Amino acid sequence: NAGVTQTPKFQVLKTGQSMTLQCAQDMNHEYMSWYRQDPGMGLRLIHYSVGAGITDQGEVPNGYNVSRSTTEDFPLRLLSAAPSQTSVYFCASSYRSFNTEAFFGQGTRLTVV
Amino acid sequence: AQKITQTQPGMFVQEKEAVTLDCTYDTSDPSYGLFWYKQPSSGEMIFLIYQGSYDQQNATEGRYSLNFQKARKSANLVISASQLGDSAMYFCAMRETSGTYKYIFGTGTRLKVLA
Repeated sequence: NAGVTQTPKFQVLKTGQSMTLQCAQDMNHEYMSWYRQDPGMGLRLIHYSVGAGITDQGEVPNGYNVSRSTTEDFPLRLLSAAPSQTSVYFCASSYRSFNTEAFFGQGTRLTVV
Repeated sequence: AQKITQTQPGMFVQEKEAVTLDCTYDTSDPSYGLFWYKQPSSGEMIFLIYQGSYDQQNATEGRYSLNFQKARKSANLVISASQLGDSAMYFCAMRETSGTYKYIFGTGTRLKVLA
């Protein structure tokens, strides 16, 4: 029972490079989301999806793209990495109901130099 | 608009004492859920407790209880009999039923339990 699998765990990028953070869940959750965690800022929502083929922006979407072609996968793409994107990234999934908790991946620590 | 506020960046508590972590929220949706998560230094996010907007009684899970005051829009986490292992970051979160089902998190409170 894997839950939410997020890869990689650590990544260093050069400014301008692109990369994809992978997120997969095996719980048949409709809802998936990406957050970034910065000191003193809590978890800020980047993008989210309420089902395959449906995505929407959160509060800090600039510089990131997502797609949801399957229920299981929700990759996050950094188009052209910037030092301001240095952060810890979390993927989370849950059922589409207000009374269910979110399940989180282990997080990705990304450094952009 | 959805908003979660945690006004205590850091808290200290003596081992075996109780501690209250504050959380206030703002929403116009009558149906919503309130959650608390723990993030130890290892970084993973651990779900602790849930309270629904229509729940009449405060939620409890072991040593965790949620002091839910709907009229004041507050959902404080109470940890009884603190243990050294409770030292962590704690996040309050809210989820609405407005169609998006977004989770919104507060900025967190770092709790340090003193021996």
